[in-house]
Amino acid sequence: DQQVKQNSPSLSVQEGRISILNCDYTNSMFDYFLWYKKYPAEGPTFLISISSIKDKNEDGRFTVFLNKSAKHLSLHIVPSQPGDSAVYFCAASVINTGTASKLTFGTGTRLQVTL
Amino acid sequence: DSGVTQTPKHLITATGQRVTLRCSPRSGDLSVYWYQQSLDQGLQFLIQYYNGEERAKGNILERFSAQQFPDLHSELNLSSLELGDSALYFCASSVGTVKETQYFGPGTRLLVL
Repeated sequence: DQQVKQNSPSLSVQEGRISILNCDYTNSMFDYFLWYKKYPAEGPTFLISISSIKDKNEDGRFTVFLNKSAKHLSLHIVPSQPGDSAVYFCAASVINTGTASKLTFGTGTRLQVTL
Repeated sequence: DSGVTQTPKHLITATGQRVTLRCSPRSGDLSVYWYQQSLDQGLQFLIQYYNGEERAKGNILERFSAQQFPDLHSELNLSSLELGDSALYFCASSVGTVKETQYFGPGTRLLVL
């Protein structure tokens, strides 16, 4: 049962434009969400996170939006740069229990930023 | 460089064999997590240790086990290997156990022939 879903396996965007990566989740217990970026032959790198008490978090070119009622989050990259080409993983966690925060990952979206 | 190291980078072995994957967390991090990434799959959480104690368990097979040592490095032991165990195995570390950013190592690519 895939609790975190990234339905678009790939996305191609022109340099300078906005990239929008989407993620849906089914477990209503999730209260903390993260995006990781992964280059080939490297481990995932943390990008940005958002708590369920917020609906938006911004860090430079990266903004994450959370719609709890739709169980949907999205990552916006503006403007997109060629160096952003990577696989992006959405991840979710339950932290309000105060216990261990294992991450549940989606299957990833491969972003290609073209010149 | 995340500061998390994993050895070996690549491992090729045969079915039925046993292997040990090693992870050294970032300096100061007490939690270590193990994840498995199979072909076209997201990362699947296996197990977490915090300061030497097991804290959380995911879909880890009984043939797999892990431990965290007093110096905080961790080892993931995979035994009676099957073809389907071929995957990337990532280790991550964090300072604590809750709402902490996890920093990932470069992974160990295991190929079972």
